[in-house]
Amino acid sequence: DIQMTQSPSSLSASVGDRVTITCRASQSITDFFNWYQQKPGKAPKLLIYAASSLQSGVPSRFSGSGSGTDFTLTINSLQPEDFATYYCQQSYSIPLTFGGGTKVEIK
Amino acid sequence: EVHLVESGGVVVQPGGSLRLSCAASGFSFDDYAMHWLRQAPGKGLEWVSLISWDGGSTYYTDSVKGRFTISRDNSKNSLYLQMHSLRPEDAALYYCAKDKRSGSHYGAFDYWGQGTLVTVSS
Repeated sequence: DIQMTQSPSSLSASVGDRVTITCRASQSITDFFNWYQQKPGKAPKLLIYAASSLQSGVPSRFSGSGSGTDFTLTINSLQPEDFATYYCQQSYSIPLTFGGGTKVEIK
Repeated sequence: EVHLVESGGVVVQPGGSLRLSCAASGFSFDDYAMHWLRQAPGKGLEWVSLISWDGGSTYYTDSVKGRFTISRDNSKNSLYLQMHSLRPEDAALYYCAKDKRSGSHYGAFDYWGQGTLVTVSS
């Protein structure tokens, strides 16, 4: 199974900050990689697919980069509605696996 | 608009069985692979199972193989998860989700239901 390691597990940031979350795969997954946002009590929402493609309807302040084993989610100018938990996920092979999550909290 | 509505979650005793359902609308259900995922209270996301658009191929995470069966009825736009020999560690909010890509699966989940809660307790 491919292990996905996210860091940090949590962070505190202020509105307007630039936030970066990283994820590392235990083996190369080329660009079969996705990011999700989950707010408390809600289902996850797809933000980025294929490592860097923005899902329809997602604000352009979200961006993804990387390939192979190392990936990054960047949120430019953090907004109040962005405080949430973010998960990375590989879609390279079965079983599909997620990172442990990064909780973005208000500083 | 895509809608996925799960049902069937209840309290069940260890060793018991349960069938979850997911009613889909707003898209061509028989064009897409579908998934079940779960999230234990306060924990992260776990993919459980995948079924191809035509039901011909199914995949499972190791911990549920031989106990869970995914199926679909394209005439009813419905997805199912039959669960047997339930364990306390199966307790979670179970989500159905649509695959991002039509035809063969991509393995990203672009629409999710709100989940149905399975509690395994004596």
